[in-house]
Amino acid sequence: GAVVSQHPSRVICKSGTSVKIECRSLDFQATTMFWYRQFPKQSLMLMATSNEGSKATYEQGVEKDKFLINHASLTLSTLTVTSAHPEDSSFYICSAPKGKQETQYFGPGTRLLVL
Amino acid sequence: SQQGEEDPQALSIQEGENATMNCSYKTSINNLQWYRQNSGRGLVHLILIRSNEREKHSGRLRVTLDTSKKSSSLLITASRAADTASYFCATDASGNNRLAFGKGNQVVVIP
Repeated sequence: GAVVSQHPSRVICKSGTSVKIECRSLDFQATTMFWYRQFPKQSLMLMATSNEGSKATYEQGVEKDKFLINHASLTLSTLTVTSAHPEDSSFYICSAPKGKQETQYFGPGTRLLVL
Repeated sequence: SQQGEEDPQALSIQEGENATMNCSYKTSINNLQWYRQNSGRGLVHLILIRSNEREKHSGRLRVTLDTSKKSSSLLITASRAADTASYFCATDASGNNRLAFGKGNQVVVIP
């Protein structure tokens, strides 16, 4: 199978700071990656589609200036939560399809806690 | 985007029993997928069923899809303690990998 990693796995930050989360495809190239957030005991909500070489596509209601996405290479996408507030505390998960596969490989997630 | 929605269930079963979960969605789909999530972890893909398929098997998993009712079910046979997890269905409306996830089912298998 394919492997997707995320870093960091857990981060605690102060309100007003920015936090960068990395998503890497370790053994395959991903021209597209997806970012989700998940609140405790709830489902995953798609935030945006990260596209290598072009701008990310954001879902309705997701602030693009708040959640900056950069797909720097075929194996790396980053999500930066800018000026984080306590309500941004959540579990952030990325995923990537391998090639033209319909199934996706998910990273292990990053738990963000904003104090 | 559309939303897959499971019937909110928290299943607690004995090892060896079967576990059944349901999922309903609202709009047309290209495919529907089931994922498993262990507590605080990422998701693991279990099985994908396309809109023109009605039933699919993979090991101890059996998935059905009824597009007329916009619903799907996941059956895990002969459950094991290691099957304890949350199970989510996700729909892909256009075949472009943008998934809409349902609420999830918490399954606890008691050894």
